[in-house]
Amino acid sequence: GAGVSQSPRYKVTKRGQDVALRCDPISGHVSLYWYRQALGQGPEFLTYFNYEAQQDKSGLPNDRFSAERPEGSISTLTIQRTEQRDSAMYRCASSLGLAGGVETQYFGPGTRLLVL
Amino acid sequence: DAKTTQPTSMDCAEGRAANLPCNHSTISGNEYVYWYRQIHSQGPQYIIHGLKNNETNEMASLIITEDRKSSTLILPHATLRDTAVYYCIVRAASGSARQLTFGSGTQLTV
Repeated sequence: GAGVSQSPRYKVTKRGQDVALRCDPISGHVSLYWYRQALGQGPEFLTYFNYEAQQDKSGLPNDRFSAERPEGSISTLTIQRTEQRDSAMYRCASSLGLAGGVETQYFGPGTRLLVL
Repeated sequence: DAKTTQPTSMDCAEGRAANLPCNHSTISGNEYVYWYRQIHSQGPQYIIHGLKNNETNEMASLIITEDRKSSTLILPHATLRDTAVYYCIVRAASGSARQLTFGSGTQLTV
């Protein structure tokens, strides 16, 4: 299949450690989004890219969170000095990035992060 | 983006039509109505979107009222596999806000 893939699918880490979550979007998709989803709630926007440029990072909760997409394809979301409150499902989505903006976002399976 | 209001949960008998309502009374003229669903722990899945005309695809139909302040997603013959959380999202077609703003959605149980 050629869907959005994320790795790892599960990550358990100790408080204070850094983690890197990877997203591989659908080939040719210009836009890439990161969302965070707490149990029982809908996904919450974190940041998004068009090609390699980060367009909006207003949803990143604090400066421990950062994201990059250096070659305009694969993206990495990094959380430094993890805290227990960072435990959640982290989801990536990609879209064609059409100029008109009416487009479908395709979501990956997510990375379940547990901070002990 | 405009705020949406959906019932927390709904039940539907298998084989019957599921009608999921959504209120978006503050919707602007350039904002589309999108529907996504999330089955168990999977990623959200796009269903359908519309601006002001009714829309139909292989998954569902979307009925938007003439004043655009509310809409209904219709699954014509619900099956067990349609059990999911359904999200109604309003989003502008253009502008800087490209992300989807998910609310709490409606838990549909078939």
